[in-house]
Amino acid sequence: AQKITQTQPGMFVQEKEAVTLDCTYDTSDQSYGLFWYKQPSSGEMIFLIYQGSYDEQNATEGRYSLNFQKARKSANLVISASQLGDSAMYFCAMRDAYSGAGSYQLTFGKGTKLSVIP
Amino acid sequence: EPEVTQTPSHQVTQMGQEVILRCVPISNHLYFYWYRQILGQKVEFLVSFYNNEISEKSEIFDDQFSVERPDGSNFTLKIRSTKLEDSAMYFCASSRDIPDMNTEAFFGQGTRLTVV
Repeated sequence: AQKITQTQPGMFVQEKEAVTLDCTYDTSDQSYGLFWYKQPSSGEMIFLIYQGSYDEQNATEGRYSLNFQKARKSANLVISASQLGDSAMYFCAMRDAYSGAGSYQLTFGKGTKLSVIP
Repeated sequence: EPEVTQTPSHQVTQMGQEVILRCVPISNHLYFYWYRQILGQKVEFLVSFYNNEISEKSEIFDDQFSVERPDGSNFTLKIRSTKLEDSAMYFCASSRDIPDMNTEAFFGQGTRLTVV
């Protein structure tokens, strides 16, 4: 069963506008972590933001914020004031207790390609 | 800022040949991982490594794959006899010593392996 679902293969946003990238997840665990990574065309994976399942407040990191709706099992990434350099693939990922203690297996979604239009 | 370093950035090899992908994790990290990403597809976990042994591996990580920490700084992934379907971007990652739920993994820039 797919654990991370990103339903938007591609998104366009005007420069300086905000954009929301969707992510839903599936887990029966109470304790889990949700991550967003950015992958520019150069290929590297860049950590953006983390949300823990027990965190009561939505995570924020600069222009990135995570709209965490636990009951809906969604963890959408919001990028405010988009910049041309934000054009990249964005991956949502999860680590839950099923991953096993003593390891760090992240389960990734298929990604969303964001294109920022000048 | 410390980072994970991978070499080479791009490797082309003939089918059936052995390849070794190299990684230098962040120096004070103790957990190391390999992931792969076939072109246009999602990133998939291969293996995690701690205290000089594999702690977890996925179904992808079959007998053709092996990992090693030959010295205090390098972490390698070996594919013994490459197949066309091994063509992918391979990412090395590392994390700090206690992999709590909120421990982020820091990824390297990847090695693009092309098997011809």
